[in-house]
Amino acid sequence: GAGVSQSPSNKVTEKGKDVELRCDPISGHTALYWYRQRLGQGLEFLIYFQGNSAPDKSGLPSDRFSAERTGESVSTLTIQRTQQEDSAVYLCASSLEISGTDNYGYTFGSGTRLTVV
Amino acid sequence: KQEVTQIPAALSVPEGENLVLNCSFTDSAIYNLQWFRQDPGKGLTSLLLIQSSQREQTSGRLNASLDKSSGRSTLYIAASQPGDSATYLCAVSGYSTLTFGKGTMLLVSP
Repeated sequence: GAGVSQSPSNKVTEKGKDVELRCDPISGHTALYWYRQRLGQGLEFLIYFQGNSAPDKSGLPSDRFSAERTGESVSTLTIQRTQQEDSAVYLCASSLEISGTDNYGYTFGSGTRLTVV
Repeated sequence: KQEVTQIPAALSVPEGENLVLNCSFTDSAIYNLQWFRQDPGKGLTSLLLIQSSQREQTSGRLNASLDKSSGRSTLYIAASQPGDSATYLCAVSGYSTLTFGKGTMLLVSP
């Protein structure tokens, strides 16, 4: 597609339920990031995928969070047993593969606003 | 670990003023620096991308400069308009890292 697509755009869930967030990157983009942005706060790195390499999961806040991506396709971020502190906007970004010292910048999706009640 | 700082945290100006937003980073081994705009409740919109080998980029009323050796970038907005009101974010890209500053919240009043 022309841009990065995220779904759903809004999600309200009850505390303790599992949720799955989806990110469709721009076709051909091998690099993909997930970020979290709590209300009034900056962007918090969650996880990074680059092609078929092992993902960088160093930003995942707890073992309730997991993410998957196969190759250059769709990525899903799953949050198990949601807590109120998980309420935030979850943003996804993709980019062409880094080559040498250049890369092509990142394009962000519009995000998924998650509210845990 | 890369750290990105943006100054000021907030800025309020009357319409028509020229203004400068500042971004500094601690590790000069970067691939590029990107300026984004974020409107309330929205995602990020890319404004300008400066590769590590470049010194500046321009788009319309926006001009971004990069001094990699000193770890600084500035975003210059000419003849500001109320529609420029938003949060401006600076992001620095390294190998497998994309680090954001906390942003500058800009308000341009008519």
